[in-house]
Amino acid sequence: DGGITQSPKYLFRKEGQNVTLSCEQNLNHDAMYWYRQDPGQGLRLIYYSQIVNDFQKGDIAEGYSVSREKKESFPLTVTSAQKNPTAFYLCASSIWDSSQETQYFGPGTRLLVL
Amino acid sequence: GENVEQHPSTLSVQEGDSAVIKCTYSDSASNYFPWYKQELGKGPQLIIDIRSNVGEKKDQRIAVTLNKTAKHFSLHITETQPEDSAVYFCAASIAMVIAAGNKLTFGGGTRVLVKP
Repeated sequence: DGGITQSPKYLFRKEGQNVTLSCEQNLNHDAMYWYRQDPGQGLRLIYYSQIVNDFQKGDIAEGYSVSREKKESFPLTVTSAQKNPTAFYLCASSIWDSSQETQYFGPGTRLLVL
Repeated sequence: GENVEQHPSTLSVQEGDSAVIKCTYSDSASNYFPWYKQELGKGPQLIIDIRSNVGEKKDQRIAVTLNKTAKHFSLHITETQPEDSAVYFCAASIAMVIAAGNKLTFGGGTRVLVKP
């Protein structure tokens, strides 16, 4: 089964706790992205990575951290500094092919704060 | 930076009718415009995209049009079916690098309900 996988599907966080969301892709895509989606709203970019061992902040990076040690993996850590972490988190990956880039999404992880 | 506005926020249509969703963008350098469909509790799925050198693109019941002068693009769904009910997002991107890793800016989404 190929594609982008995110785990877990649901995640609960206690106050003051860091949690890590997993994103794996076996599509051999170069770039990977993390988005946050709040109820009834669009997608906002948290972090993105164009290549291994490199990543850039998106529009709402505060309170989050990432790593890109392997091409196929791009985990997102939601730190205790993120005061309102309850949201639907979406991972995406993309490839540049035939002079164009196309981005694909994983199934998402819903994070809830207890 | 780029700003994308999407209208309407909700759209209710009768099965068999057409649905149209419109988006405007702010940066004239944007050159790639994808549309995604998101079903409840799932990740968005790419349904169609258009690039700035094309004015219209069709794929069965779905079509997208682009007006670069006016900086707006639209999604058209014909002969709507209940399975078309979902949230649809438009997005815009500027290919700043000739490689993967160009950012997408998303509209706020349109919730489409197709009534049988």
